[in-house]
Amino acid sequence: SQTIHQWPATLVQPVGSPLSLECTVEGTSNPNLYWYRQAAGRGLQLLFYSVGIGQISSEVPQNLSASRPQDRQFILSSKKLLLSDSGFYLCAWSTKGINQPQHFGDGTRLSIL
Amino acid sequence: GENVEQHPSTLSVQEGDSAVIKCTYSDSASNYFPWYKQELGKRPQLIIDIRSNVGEKKDQRIAVTLNKTAKHFSLHITETQPEDSAVYFCAASGVTGGGNKLTFGTGTQLKVEL
Repeated sequence: SQTIHQWPATLVQPVGSPLSLECTVEGTSNPNLYWYRQAAGRGLQLLFYSVGIGQISSEVPQNLSASRPQDRQFILSSKKLLLSDSGFYLCAWSTKGINQPQHFGDGTRLSIL
Repeated sequence: GENVEQHPSTLSVQEGDSAVIKCTYSDSASNYFPWYKQELGKRPQLIIDIRSNVGEKKDQRIAVTLNKTAKHFSLHITETQPEDSAVYFCAASGVTGGGNKLTFGTGTQLKVEL
């Protein structure tokens, strides 16, 4: 069966520091991968999605970037964090094809001080 | 782009009663509508989804209805139980650039009281 892993689970970072969050998927190949952010008490906002290695689509202009160095690895990064980057970051995957369900990882709770 | 509105933002029901959550979407090209349940601090979990070629789908105590003409869809939970208490999110998706882009509603906090 397919599983998705995210780490770390929680992270506290100072303003201006760099960020790297990692997501990996097991049990499937060539998945679509997604990064979402969820602000406290709010819905999920799509940040990036990827349909293949090195292919990244950005949905919201921001302080973050994403990379997909391997088929089942998706990384969310920032060079200098802002206070507004605080939130719950969720990675998700889906199989290829029209309207396939997305399955989420356990998320990373990021606090910026 | 797509815009999804969800109502109500909070919903309190007595155990055993039914709960209904409604969503509207703006993009008539959207054709996939999943519902997620998220418990506090946990990942969103897919509970049911519906595609635009059907008007209703049911899975035990959960059902979803879709009205494409009016561009709205609803989640129905019957015989609610305390473990149904969570935040529920609707979403709408259309295919673009090879990826299925989900636009989420703002969530409904459901509380099932004993």
